[in-house]
Amino acid sequence: GAGVSQSPSNKVTEKGKDVELRCDPISGHTALYWYRQSLGQGLEFLIYFQGNSAPDKSGLPSDRFSAERTGGSVSTLTIQRTQQEDSAVYLCASSLAASGGLYTQYFGPGTRLTVL
Amino acid sequence: AQSVSQHNHHVILSEAASLELGCNYSYGGTVNLFWYVQYPGQHLQLLLKYFSGDPLVKGIKGFEAEFIKSKFSFNLRKPSVQWSDTAEYFCAVNPSGGSYIPTFGRGTSLIVHP
Repeated sequence: GAGVSQSPSNKVTEKGKDVELRCDPISGHTALYWYRQSLGQGLEFLIYFQGNSAPDKSGLPSDRFSAERTGGSVSTLTIQRTQQEDSAVYLCASSLAASGGLYTQYFGPGTRLTVL
Repeated sequence: AQSVSQHNHHVILSEAASLELGCNYSYGGTVNLFWYVQYPGQHLQLLLKYFSGDPLVKGIKGFEAEFIKSKFSFNLRKPSVQWSDTAEYFCAVNPSGGSYIPTFGRGTSLIVHP
């Protein structure tokens, strides 16, 4: 595709519900990244995939967060039992490969999650 | 674990003024360094990065940054800002060595008055 796309663009949910956020990377990009951007908290790295594998999941804030990537393409970030502190903009990016961030990452527009 | 400090949270300048945004990091080993920019209503994008070699790195739109290892700094500079440089700027550091677990600063909001 022309760029990284994310869906939904906005999600409002009630506390305790599960949500799924989707990311479609640029075609041919083997690396995919998830970030969270909170007001007053800045940008926080969550997880990255090289292919379908996530080498390090330590950036995920809690065990309520999980992510998967299938077919080396689409990725889903799932938040279970959402809490109000999960409210943020979730950003996805992709690059040709990971290599420690060597390759330029292209970001999507983000999903704004609001937990009531 | 590494940490990144951006001392200036909000910067307001007039067009043609010079810009320097501070970024200091804390980490004992070799690092890769990045500056990202988010223009109003646009996606986050890479401004420039340092991995090795010349510590003075040039990026897009006339920006540059200098890695000073002894000061653990990677300050962003531009000699003459334009109104279109109004944006949020983020510094990030990643330990060298293959994996990617970056730490970002909290960002600096730059407003340039025409």
